Amino acid sequence: GENVEQHPSTLSVQEGDSAVIKCTYSDSASNYFPWYKQELGKGPQLIIDIRSNVGEKKDQRIAVTLNKTAKHFSLHITETQPEDSAVYFCAAGSNYQLIWGAGTKLIIKP
Amino acid sequence: DGGITQSPKYLFRKEGQNVTLSCEQNLNHDAMYWYRQDPGQGLRLIYYSQIVNDFQKGDIAEGYSVSREKKESFPLTVTSAQKNPTAFYLCASSEAPRGEQYFGPGTRLTVT
Repeated sequence: GENVEQHPSTLSVQEGDSAVIKCTYSDSASNYFPWYKQELGKGPQLIIDIRSNVGEKKDQRIAVTLNKTAKHFSLHITETQPEDSAVYFCAAGSNYQLIWGAGTKLIIKP
Repeated sequence: DGGITQSPKYLFRKEGQNVTLSCEQNLNHDAMYWYRQDPGQGLRLIYYSQIVNDFQKGDIAEGYSVSREKKESFPLTVTSAQKNPTAFYLCASSEAPRGEQYFGPGTRLTVT
C-alpha cells in the first residue's frame, strides 16, 4: 500500500541550531503535504502545509520544501528554541485521506 | 471557544466489552475523522465522514463502527471484534478535503 517514510526518528539539536526532518512518499497522486507538531498527551497541531503547485513555503522560523519529482518533502526549523521540543509528523495525501509518517522526536538541548 | 472535544480522556474496559468514544466539534466542519495512534507509529485512519449520514472506512476499520447523525458529532465504537484495542484515539475535523485537520485532545483506551 501507499506509505510515507520519515527520518530521523529522533533528532537532538543544540538550542539555536537548525533542525531538518525529511519525508518520502510513494503515492504520486498526493498533492497535499502538511506538517503537524504533537506535544505529550495532546492532539497534533498543524504548523505548516504545502500543496503540489508550490516548491517552498516559509512561515517565520519554519519552512517546508517539496520535490515532487523525487517525492521528497522536508521541514526546516531555524533558530530552535526549547518550546520546539515535541514530536513532528509529516503526512501526504489528496482529498480526505492522509498517509502519515511515523514521527520525529525533536529534542532541543540547552 | 471553538474546537473539538473528546471524552473521556482515559477509558478502561474489560476484554469482550464494546466501548464508545465521544467526539464533538463546534467548528461547523463538514468532515470528521477517527485515527488510532500507537507508540512509535504515525496516525492510522479508522473511519472518516465527509458529510452527515455518510462515512467511509479508512485503512484499519475492522473491529470499529461509527455513526454521523449530526454534523457536530462523530462517535466511535470499539467492538469486541477489535483484536488489539488498547491505543490512543484521536478525532479530527476539517472544513474541506485537503484542508487543515483540527484535532481533539485524544482518548487513551486501555483494555485488559
